[in-house]
Amino acid sequence: DAEITQSPRHKITETGRQVTLACHQTWNHNNMFWYRQDLGHGLRLIHYSYGVQDTNKGEVSDGYSVSRSNTEDLPLTLESAASSQTSVYFCASSTGGPKDTQYFGPGTRLTVL
Amino acid sequence: QQQVKQSPQSLIVQKGGISIINCAYENTAFDYFPWYQQFPGKGPALLIAIRPDVSEKKEGRFTISFNKSAKQFSLHIMDSQPGDSATYFCAVNEGGSEKLVFGKGTKLTVNP
Repeated sequence: DAEITQSPRHKITETGRQVTLACHQTWNHNNMFWYRQDLGHGLRLIHYSYGVQDTNKGEVSDGYSVSRSNTEDLPLTLESAASSQTSVYFCASSTGGPKDTQYFGPGTRLTVL
Repeated sequence: QQQVKQSPQSLIVQKGGISIINCAYENTAFDYFPWYQQFPGKGPALLIAIRPDVSEKKEGRFTISFNKSAKQFSLHIMDSQPGDSATYFCAVNEGGSEKLVFGKGTKLTVNP
């Protein structure tokens, strides 16, 4: 079955370290999104991509970067992790089109000490 | 500036009761209004969605009511069950965009 996976599921790192969170989907979806979820803030968009080589900044992109070299993957990199980036991160994908359903991965819980 | 305001933040309902969650928005360019359901430890999943050309959409025990003039939409869960206990997010989508903007979420607890 087609799916969207995230790895690792849990990660503990130290302030200042570079961290990369993986997102892989097998639906062949054009669109991919990264969100962070924090209590009291809901889901906030970090970066998104509408296809290979396309990346765009979302609402809370500072300190994060993405690259899209193929359809299946959109890794999220924290260049220099900060304690404020402790959060649960969700990746999502959709076929394309404004009214299209976004399918979410299971999430990665990141703790920055 | 918050594009969509969701209330209440938390809600406790008895089994069999009606759960109501509300969302309000300002931008009249929004033209797609989905609700997502998230169980603990899982990613959100689409529950039900509505477009502004209709005032109500029903799927089983879940109903979206949409008031275009008031720029509000709400989720009604009839005959609420303990299995409905989850966090619910409303979202909005601007015409022509493929992004969603989410509300802050409502944690629903249905007591047996």
